[in-house]
Amino acid sequence: DGGITQSPKYLFRKEGQNVTLSCEQNLNHDAMYWYRQDPGQGLRLIYYSQIVNDFQKGDIAEGYSVSREKKESFPLTVTSAQKNPTAFYLCASSTGADTQYFGPGTRLTVL
Amino acid sequence: KQEVTQIPAALSVPEGENLVLNCSFTDSAIYNLQWFRQDPGKGLTSLLLIQSSQREQTSGRLNASLDKSSGRSTLYIAASQPGDSATYLCAGHSGSRLTFGEGTQLTVNP
Repeated sequence: DGGITQSPKYLFRKEGQNVTLSCEQNLNHDAMYWYRQDPGQGLRLIYYSQIVNDFQKGDIAEGYSVSREKKESFPLTVTSAQKNPTAFYLCASSTGADTQYFGPGTRLTVL
Repeated sequence: KQEVTQIPAALSVPEGENLVLNCSFTDSAIYNLQWFRQDPGKGLTSLLLIQSSQREQTSGRLNASLDKSSGRSTLYIAASQPGDSATYLCAGHSGSRLTFGEGTQLTVNP
C-alpha cells in the first residue's frame, strides 16, 4: 500500500524540549517537503529536499531542523528555539514539479 | 515572490448548486497550479493539477481552469453535495516549491 505516513498523530511538547516528527514515503519520490499550518491559514513551507543528503530552507525555517539520510525518510525536529511551535505539521513528497502527495499530519501542542 | 489569494474565504450553498472558487497568483511564471481538498484535521488530497501549457482539467464534477496571463484559476464544482463540504486550497508551483492560498471553506447544506 503506497503512500506517506507521519507519526505521531498527536505530540505534546514541554517548554525547552526538542521533538522530532517522522515522515516516511514508499512512493519512490525524490522530493520531500515539510509545511506548517496554523488555524484558518494556508500552508507555509519549512524545509524541502530534492535529493538525498541535500535540503533547503523554506519560508519559516527558523527553529526547525531536518535531515535526509534516506530517500524514503525526512524527519523534522522542532527545537526549543521555535517560540510558537503549536501547529499542524504536514509532510509531502513529489517527483519534482509534479503533483505533491500529503501525509495525514501531526498536531503539535506546547504544554 | 509568488503570492496566492483565494476568494471567498468561506462559502455556504444549498445542495445541488453549481459553484465557483477563485484563486489568483502574482507570478505568471508558474509551472503548474494544483487544487487540493482538506477535511478538518486531515492532510491534503490532490484534486486537479493543471500544467502551465494547459488551460483546464476535469475530474468528475470538478473542472479547474488556468489563465496565466491574468494570474487566475477557478475551480468549478457542479451539482454540489454535502460530501463536498471541506476547505479547498489552490497552490502555484514555481521553482521547486508550492505556494498556497489560505483556502476557501465550503459548506454544502442538505
